[in-house]
Amino acid sequence: QKEVEQNSGPLSVPEGAIASLNCTYSDRGSQSFFWYRQYSGKSPELIMFIYSNGDKEDGRFTAQLNKASQYVSLLIRDSQPSDSATYLCAVSISNFGNEKLTFGTGTRLTIIP
Amino acid sequence: DTEVTQTPKHLVMGMTNKKSLKCEQHMGHRAMYWYKQKAKKPPELMFVYSYEKLSINESVPSRFSPECPNSSLLNLHLHALQPEDSALYLCASSLEGPGVHEQYFGPGTRLTVT
Repeated sequence: QKEVEQNSGPLSVPEGAIASLNCTYSDRGSQSFFWYRQYSGKSPELIMFIYSNGDKEDGRFTAQLNKASQYVSLLIRDSQPSDSATYLCAVSISNFGNEKLTFGTGTRLTIIP
Repeated sequence: DTEVTQTPKHLVMGMTNKKSLKCEQHMGHRAMYWYKQKAKKPPELMFVYSYEKLSINESVPSRFSPECPNSSLLNLHLHALQPEDSALYLCASSLEGPGVHEQYFGPGTRLTVT
């Protein structure tokens, strides 16, 4: 079982609609959860982080965390063509006493004008 | 300011060359990281420095040698690389140790080994 799983997509969403990106993780002890956006040929850019169960909103972005279901999601409201990118879910996972960030394989999102 | 800088942006080197990648941050972060990213794959952790000490080495081949001269600087020394080492090398930093605080990435160095 992969430690962090994402649907690789591509996910196509019309401009102005809500894009919903999902991520599941295997380590019940994980405490920190991150969403990164990566444009082709560029480095990952942190867009959201969440540590507690529930929702966290920042502008058009909402991160949702459900630790009981080991599930974290990212909603993008009013999607814009500039949101077209690969979105990486990252989860802190303890490995032999060392915490490290483990990335999912990413979901490629395309916003259709 | 959440800026991590990396030099050079691009590097082409032969298999017998020795080169270094550099990373710098001035955010007061005490943890710094090297990642390797191949095309269409997620970043893969290589090394972690916490308070200037190497805390994680993900069984990286010895042809990659990290160095942390001070809390703001991180180097990656390269020697006798193989073509399969061609990738985007990413530096990141966080306030403290991995998984506790959010990590910020630099723009990366695109490495090509010929």
